[in-house]
Amino acid sequence: SQQGEEDPQALSIQEGENATMNCSYKTSINNLQWYRQNSGRGLVHLILIRSNEREKHSGRLRVTLDTSKKSSSLLITASRAADTASYFCATDGNDYKLSFGAGTTVTVRA
Amino acid sequence: SQTIHQWPATLVQPVGSPLSLECTVEGTSNPNLYWYRQAAGRGLQLLFYSVGIGQISSEVPQNLSASRPQDRQFILSSKKLLLSDSGFYLCAWSAPPGQGGYGYTFGSGTRLTVV
Repeated sequence: SQQGEEDPQALSIQEGENATMNCSYKTSINNLQWYRQNSGRGLVHLILIRSNEREKHSGRLRVTLDTSKKSSSLLITASRAADTASYFCATDGNDYKLSFGAGTTVTVRA
Repeated sequence: SQTIHQWPATLVQPVGSPLSLECTVEGTSNPNLYWYRQAAGRGLQLLFYSVGIGQISSEVPQNLSASRPQDRQFILSSKKLLLSDSGFYLCAWSAPPGQGGYGYTFGSGTRLTVV
């Protein structure tokens, strides 16, 4: 079942701009993960944030987690055409099974 | 390094025909293995997961089954395909709990079209 819900469903930005997408979930988690999927391909793990962490960085990615609001955000700074993809949040509860949201489709215009 | 292989990449099968999708993992032992299905423009639905040889858990009732005959091999099967089985099937592995390496590694997927 899907626990995470991403917002917005789609996002179109100019190259060089920042892209922000949000994820909300319903039940308690051990960690929250973000994945990228290029069209017709498998998912690639981007970043994991544990329930006791509030913010994490990896290159041009910044993830925040607010467990009191059951929400997370993914920020991609200085976007590039290669960032065009769908982005999914996934929550890991106590059973090590990931539940994925429906994703945010990001289009970066040159 | 760990790698995951999934095949075939695309498959067109008639309704009522059998199905066998295979996934193998290299470079790790005792992985957790997963089969997900993704409908067009949607998120991923967990179909099966396995924490060891012969140990299969099903998440949704369906026309599909899974088997794990070897530690690093995970097979998705059907005896008779339905039109509703069409979709993008993804295999993934993760390290067992307590062994670090959180995060899933996904295969490249199989696009199944049932006609």
